[in-house]
Amino acid sequence: GQQVMQIPQYQHVQEGEDFTTYCNSSTTLSNIQWYKQRPGGHPVFLIQLVKSGEVKKQKRLTFQFGEAKKNSSLHITATQTTDVGTYFCAGRGAGGTSYGKLTFGQGTILTVHP
Amino acid sequence: EPEVTQTPSHQVTQMGQEVILRCVPISNHLYFYWYRQILGQKVEFLVSFYNNEISEKSEIFDDQFSVERPDGSNFTLKIRSTKLEDSAMYFCASSEAGGFGYTFGSGTRLTVV
Repeated sequence: GQQVMQIPQYQHVQEGEDFTTYCNSSTTLSNIQWYKQRPGGHPVFLIQLVKSGEVKKQKRLTFQFGEAKKNSSLHITATQTTDVGTYFCAGRGAGGTSYGKLTFGQGTILTVHP
Repeated sequence: EPEVTQTPSHQVTQMGQEVILRCVPISNHLYFYWYRQILGQKVEFLVSFYNNEISEKSEIFDDQFSVERPDGSNFTLKIRSTKLEDSAMYFCASSEAGGFGYTFGSGTRLTVV
């Protein structure tokens, strides 16, 4: 079945440093979503990417979808302590329904030292 | 901002007992999901529900699991005979339309002893 791998598993940064997490799918995706989960919390939707090569920005966050629609990345510029949490990518396989299941990556746990 | 509400927040049950986890999705959302997350691990898909029927389910969602939308607002997950390995955080989620982002509830932490 479809697998979504995410690296790194952990990332420790000093406040102000940049952070990137990478997501790779074993199969082509129709779209990919990114979620943030604060410690003890629930996943919160950040963004969805649909088009090949798509790049979207939300303030200090930049999301990219690969040309082959099999990989994605999230880059945070100048991290702040409020960025702490686990970042998950979640992919929906190509060829399925628009409401087909999302397969989550293992997540990258980000800690930010002030 | 509209929320997905889940009750209870924590449930402790004995192995072999039945549990029902309850969710109230956002009122104008049409697609409903259950996911679970074993402590420290990734979020795993259980089942999706649309138009009053299951649209997709995972291998985890075996005969011990069932879902229901008994009225216009509630969406429940029943585990008939719980096992130790069912211990996890169970998240309900809903989305407005196919292909939209999910709104997750705060989860029910199920502990099977």
